[in-house]
Amino acid sequence: DAKTTQPNSMESNEEEPVHLPCNHSTISGTDYIHWYRQLPSQGPEYVIHGLTSNVNNRMASLAIAEDRKSSTLILHRATLRDAAVYYCILRDVANFGNEKLTFGTGTRLTIIP
Amino acid sequence: DARVTQTPRHKVTEMGQEVTMRCQPILGHNTVFWYRQTMMQGLELLAYFRNRAPLDDSGMPKDRFSAEMPDATLATLKIQPSEPRDSAVYFCASAPGTSGTYQETQYFGPGTRLLVL
Repeated sequence: DAKTTQPNSMESNEEEPVHLPCNHSTISGTDYIHWYRQLPSQGPEYVIHGLTSNVNNRMASLAIAEDRKSSTLILHRATLRDAAVYYCILRDVANFGNEKLTFGTGTRLTIIP
Repeated sequence: DARVTQTPRHKVTEMGQEVTMRCQPILGHNTVFWYRQTMMQGLELLAYFRNRAPLDDSGMPKDRFSAEMPDATLATLKIQPSEPRDSAVYFCASAPGTSGTYQETQYFGPGTRLLVL
C-alpha cells in the first residue's frame, strides 16, 4: 500500500485557518485520498476525500497537488472543537475486497484559544 | 441521528477471563469492521464482515480472539483468555456496503476501553 507522511503535531489559533499537509509520493492512479479525524476519547470520523480535483464540504476543503504527490486539508476557521488527530489515508479503488482503513500516526492538531 | 453503538464502554478484567464486546451497526449497513487502538500500534484492523460473513480476519490473533455476527444488528468480539497485552480501545465501524463502491465512509462507534490486569 502507498504510504502517507504527516507532521506529528501542529498548533493553530482559534478562528484562524488551518492547513494540514500530507505527503504521498508513491500514490497510484487508483488511490483516493481520504481524511478522518479522531476527537479525544471518540472513534474516528470521516472528514473528506478526493481523487484529483479539490473538494469542499461543510467540514473542510481538500486541496490536491497537480501531481497528486501531496494534499492539504484546510479547516477554514478552526474552533476548539477541531482539536483532534487528523489522519490522511490512501484507499485504492482498484484493490477490490480490501476495504480496510490503514491509519498512520496522523497529525495532532492543537487549537489555541 | 444514526450511530454505531458499542457496549460496554469500559471493561476492567483479570488476566485469563473471557471478554465479550458488542457492537450494533447502523441500521441498514451490511459491512462491519473491528479495529484496535493502542499507543504502540495505533489503529489497526482486526477483522471485518459483509452480510454477516467474515471477509478478512488476518489482523486478529486466532488463538484467543473470535469475531461473529449472530445477526445483522449485532457483532461480537470475544477474547478468551484475555491477557494484559490485550489492553486497548476496541472500535467497531460500519459501512453501507453498497455494491461496487470501495470508497465508502466508515462510521465508528465510541469504542470499548479494555484493561486487563
